[in-house]
Formats: sequence, structure tokens, C-alpha cells
Amino acid sequence: DAMVIQNPRYQVTQFGKPVTLSCSQTLNHNVMYWYQQKSSQAPKLLFHYYDKDFNNEADTPDNFQSRRPNTSFCFLDIRSPGLGDAAMYLCATSQQGREQFFGPGTRLTVL
Amino acid sequence: QKEVEQNSGPLSVPEGAIASLNCTYSDRVSQSFFWYRQYSGKSPELIMSIYSNGDKEDGRFTAQLNKASQYVSLLIRDSQPSDSATYLCAVNNLIKAAGNKLTFGGGTRVLVKP
Repeated sequence: DAMVIQNPRYQVTQFGKPVTLSCSQTLNHNVMYWYQQKSSQAPKLLFHYYDKDFNNEADTPDNFQSRRPNTSFCFLDIRSPGLGDAAMYLCATSQQGREQFFGPGTRLTVL
Repeated sequence: QKEVEQNSGPLSVPEGAIASLNCTYSDRVSQSFFWYRQYSGKSPELIMSIYSNGDKEDGRFTAQLNKASQYVSLLIRDSQPSDSATYLCAVNNLIKAAGNKLTFGGGTRVLVKP
């Protein structure tokens, strides 16, 4: 089945220790997104790629970076995680303007 | 004013009843509208998309769109305990420069009581 895959599903890191979350898709969608979602809040868009074009949200901290080496993969790098970065990180994909499909998410814990 | 507004709930409905969820949006040029269901601790799951005025039915779900009044609603017929979740309304504006972005409402929590 075509799908969006995220790894790992659970990530524990220490304060300030860099972490990378990965997302892959078999849907061949041209747009990939990274969201942060905290408890009882709506998903908050961090950035998205339209093909290779990177689109950063104005309020996304510099601590968050992303890479999309090819159509299928996208990575979220958190350079120096703080306690406030503990959240669910969601990857989603879509074709231009169409529905977004979410992966299962990565739950990040910062100790 | 928030761009997409939903009543946070919880909306409590007895099993077998109809759950009615509403969503209003502020950007008049919005073109695509989506309902996602999210169980606690899980990721959002797309359940309905609607692009034109009127009703769209899929199984027990009906989405209703009224662009003139800037609202979109979701009806869940014959509600089941498994429908207990948070329902997120999302709006896409294709005209804006980054037209792939969704704006989410805060979600409505639905509780279906047996």
C-alpha cells in the first residue's frame, strides 16, 4: 500500500543533543511537510518542500532544519533540542493543492 | 479572529445519534476544505474533502460546504464509540503564493457515549 512512513516512532534525546527524524513516502507526491503538534493543539506547520523548493514558516525557529535529498525522503533536523521541543512531529505529503496525508508521527521526548 | 474556528467541545452524543460539527473560516478565497479525525496520541487521518458548495456523503459521514457563509460542517450519522476523537477542520487556499498550505482549526473533541 502507498503510504507515508516515519522513523523512529519514538525518539528520546537529551537537552542540546542533535536529533534527526526521517520521513519517506511511496505516494510520489511532490509536496512534503513537517508539522509540530503539542498536546491539545492543532498541528503547526514548520516548513514544506514543493519539489526541491524549500518554504520555511516565518515563526519556525532556526533550531529546526530540513533536507529533502529526493522525492521520496525528507528529514527534520533539530540542532539543539530544548525542553519546549518535546512534541509529536508529523510528516505529511500531497500533490499540489490536493489532500495531505499524514504519517504516523514521531513522538520526541527531551530529557 | 482566528482564520479557521471550531468549537473545542467536548461534543457529547449518545451512541446512534447524529454528531454535527461546524467550522468557519475567514479567508473568502479559500477553495479546498478537509476534515481530519485524530485519535489521542495518533496522527490525523483524512476522512472527507470537499471543494464545491453543497453536500458530499461518504458512508456515515456528510460534509457540507457553504462558501457564501464561509462555513463547512461535518455530520456523523449513527455515531459509534469508535468515533470518539478530535476532528480537525482544515482549509487550503490555492491562490496564495504557497498554495499548498493548510490552515487548521483547533479541533472539536467528540465523545460518543454507549
